[in-house]
Amino acid sequence: DSGVTQTPKHLITATGQRVTLRCSPRSGDLSVYWYQQSLDQGLQFLIQYYNGEERAKGNILERFSAQQFPDLHSELNLSSLELGDSALYFCASSARGQGIHEQFFGPGTRLTVL
Amino acid sequence: GQQVMQIPQYQHVQEGEDFTTYCNSSTTLSNIQWYKQRPGGHPVFLIQLVKSGEVKKQKRLTFQFGEAKKNSSLHITATQTTDVGTYFCAGILTGGGNKLTFGTGTQLKVEL
Repeated sequence: DSGVTQTPKHLITATGQRVTLRCSPRSGDLSVYWYQQSLDQGLQFLIQYYNGEERAKGNILERFSAQQFPDLHSELNLSSLELGDSALYFCASSARGQGIHEQFFGPGTRLTVL
Repeated sequence: GQQVMQIPQYQHVQEGEDFTTYCNSSTTLSNIQWYKQRPGGHPVFLIQLVKSGEVKKQKRLTFQFGEAKKNSSLHITATQTTDVGTYFCAGILTGGGNKLTFGTGTQLKVEL
């Protein structure tokens, strides 16, 4: 158990819909990262938040957005869903900066878009 | 395109054989981290290398960071069935901002 929690575990929805994935980082970790993992794209970095502020952006689509709340939990919002958005979405947390400290990954949310 | 490549993509070995995965970056890396993801699981941090030419060992696992800081390797001696999973390298690309770029991964299968 990494100490990072993600809900829900599984999500099945239809194209065009909007979903919200939730992540609670390890106690004391200020940085939260979101990744997308699909069979053909590997592990893709989406976005990082540090203590409530956006810190780094990766290959995140405009249809996707995220935020980190004062209690440090984070939400990833995916809208106008397409079939290709089906993937495993991981949240990770670390003490501080990316690449400086190890990242602890949550169990992931498996999103299926039908 | 993918800037951090790993080879091989897949490797099947017999239990007891050695295994090596190589990680190559198109640009210099500030550091390199290695993660292991078991089937159905999430990535788990193994180690971080920072210095050019650095070598670190964890029991049967040996990690190296290249002199030019553009490549790295993970070597497992005498594989066991518990080594099954996908191994990812990840690093900060010089000039790439504050983003950790994961390699393409090497999936290891160990047969009895």
